[in-house]
Amino acid sequence: GEDVEQSLFLSVREGDSSVINCTYTDSSSTYLYWYKQEPGAGLQLLTYIFSNMDMKQDQRLTVLLNKKDKHLSLRIADTQTGDSAIYFCAESKAGNKLTFGGGTRVLVKP
Amino acid sequence: DTGVSQDPRHKITKRGQNVTFRCDPISEHNRLYWYRQTLGQGPEFLTYFQNEAQLEKSRLLSDRFSAERPKGSFSTLEIQRTEQGDSAMYLCASSFSSSGNYEQYFGPGTRLTVT
Repeated sequence: GEDVEQSLFLSVREGDSSVINCTYTDSSSTYLYWYKQEPGAGLQLLTYIFSNMDMKQDQRLTVLLNKKDKHLSLRIADTQTGDSAIYFCAESKAGNKLTFGGGTRVLVKP
Repeated sequence: DTGVSQDPRHKITKRGQNVTFRCDPISEHNRLYWYRQTLGQGPEFLTYFQNEAQLEKSRLLSDRFSAERPKGSFSTLEIQRTEQGDSAMYLCASSFSSSGNYEQYFGPGTRLTVT
């Protein structure tokens, strides 16, 4: 079956790097995503990675994928107060339905 | 139009009433998805359409739930005989399915409260 797990909470100081981790169980997952959700809002797509890649960088965001361990991480460089939100990891096969983790609440302290 | 829109944004209803939500996807997106999110949880898949065809429906979805996308553009999600357990945020997403493009974009959601 499909299962995506994330740690619940991360606290980081402004200017430091944040690393959010995610594990998944379905080895046939082909696409892995990171979404950001601010209070009362919908989900904002941050980035996604194909399962045949091991890294993707987009400005302050770096995604690392360890397919052997089914581990995905999102690194946010120079974390800002505006990065405080809930971050969701999700997986899909060939762009079909997304299966989400429970979300990691990131709190950025000044 | 720059994004997925949903209407209404908030709905309060009494238990036993029927409710209907609408989603307008990004123009020319052929896939449309419905998800449900309860407090403190990640979104959970409900169903999705490619054009007007409903391709998958969650096994967890009660028979009280029905979704349509009659012309392959906007979609409606109806919940009949609402229960307090239906209280949640209902999220719609759309994508354009093509080789190498699997980005799903979400709307702001409809928050349903059943009293």
